[in-house]
Amino acid sequence: GQSLEQPSEVTAVEGAIVQINCTYQTSGFYGLSWYQQHDGGAPTFLSYNGLDGLEETGRFSSFLSRSDSYGYLLLQELQMKDSASYFCAVKGGSSGSARQLTFGSGTQLTVLP
Amino acid sequence: AAGVIQSPRHLIKEKRETATLKCYPIPRHDTVYWYQQGPGQDPQFLISFYEKMQSDKGSIPDRFSAQQFSDYHSELNMSSLELGDSALYFCASRRSGKGTDTQYFGPGTRLTVL
Repeated sequence: GQSLEQPSEVTAVEGAIVQINCTYQTSGFYGLSWYQQHDGGAPTFLSYNGLDGLEETGRFSSFLSRSDSYGYLLLQELQMKDSASYFCAVKGGSSGSARQLTFGSGTQLTVLP
Repeated sequence: AAGVIQSPRHLIKEKRETATLKCYPIPRHDTVYWYQQGPGQDPQFLISFYEKMQSDKGSIPDRFSAQQFSDYHSELNMSSLELGDSALYFCASRRSGKGTDTQYFGPGTRLTVL
């Protein structure tokens, strides 16, 4: 099976940088994804790492180390609108094209003025 | 750009009733996933379909069933509803064989069982 661990809460101020870590245990690894979810909203795809290293998308970056079963999401120049839950997720399940996502428990980010 | 469409957005049912949730994937997406998210919980995978065939099954109760139709839309049928079924139900779609395998989530259906 799959299990992921991430901090439950993080608080930072506007303009700051915050890193949300995620460690995972999987029976098969097909990549680590990050999703953002505002209260009552749909999870929105942020970033994906299939290989080791850093992926940068604007103010958001994501890093993966497969040997350490570890990844992180880095948010820079925090804005109030970044206050949301952030989920790391791995693909798993049976082989083939479906590969449903298994989510971590989510990190609630609060950005203070 | 077209997104995943789910209907209805809100649904209120009583215990032991049935409910049908619909999902219309992004055009040309051939894979559909259903997730259930309880309050303060992470989304839990229920079931998925690829090219109209069930491909994976997660924590879906026997009271629930789903299918994907020829036009790729999917329906989640829920019977003998229980209070614990109250949750947000998300559908996500993906186009197989493309890039990052990103799943795009719909806005969700909020089901309340009274």
